[in-house]
Amino acid sequence: AQTVTQSQPEMSVQEAETVTLSCTYDTSESDYYLFWYKQPPSRQMILVIRQEAYKQQNATENRFSVNFQKAAKSFSLKISDSQLGDAAMYFCASTFPQGGSEKLVFGKGTKLTVNP
Amino acid sequence: NAGVTQTPKFRVLKTGQSMTLLCAQDMNHEYMYWYRQDPGMGLRLIHYSVGEGTTAKGEVPDGYNVSRLKKQNFLLGLESAAPSQTSVYFCASSYRWGYTFGSGTRLTVV
Repeated sequence: AQTVTQSQPEMSVQEAETVTLSCTYDTSESDYYLFWYKQPPSRQMILVIRQEAYKQQNATENRFSVNFQKAAKSFSLKISDSQLGDAAMYFCASTFPQGGSEKLVFGKGTKLTVNP
Repeated sequence: NAGVTQTPKFRVLKTGQSMTLLCAQDMNHEYMYWYRQDPGMGLRLIHYSVGEGTTAKGEVPDGYNVSRLKKQNFLLGLESAAPSQTSVYFCASSYRWGYTFGSGTRLTVV
């Protein structure tokens, strides 16, 4: 089954603190890509971070980093020094092969609230 | 560079009416996708295209048709709209695992 699971529908964090959003996926492929997208109320899908499965090193983008555990099929997002502007829906996604292409399958999302 | 442009941004339809959503990209991407987003469901793939003249079904294709007559455009059609098709629709295009999304179309079927 090609599934991406986000087990936390909602999370909250205090401004300047650190929060971790969880994501697991199910794939039989050895090479794939994993993503975290941010969706603010504007609806725009904003790429936060991308991880290539064949790279063991965890991806980082400024305050955002991932903990990629390939054997456990886990891909969590850590946000450090949380800011009010980080409040949004966060979606985890993974590529899966389909019909000569790669389709992007999303989790159901985690709503992050940042408290001042 | 506009990226991915979706029109319209909002639409209200009556049950049984038809409409077409247009997605246009100016990045020369081969792959294009239509997703729908419903509360608590994430984004689900409706149809996709791997190149001009090709289309294929995704996870939730029923009630929708698509066409890709030109490489830069991917059209999503609803022949007879139903309330269950009330959703936010996103178009995306991709090249080598770099995905670009449009800003979405909010469709309400009453």
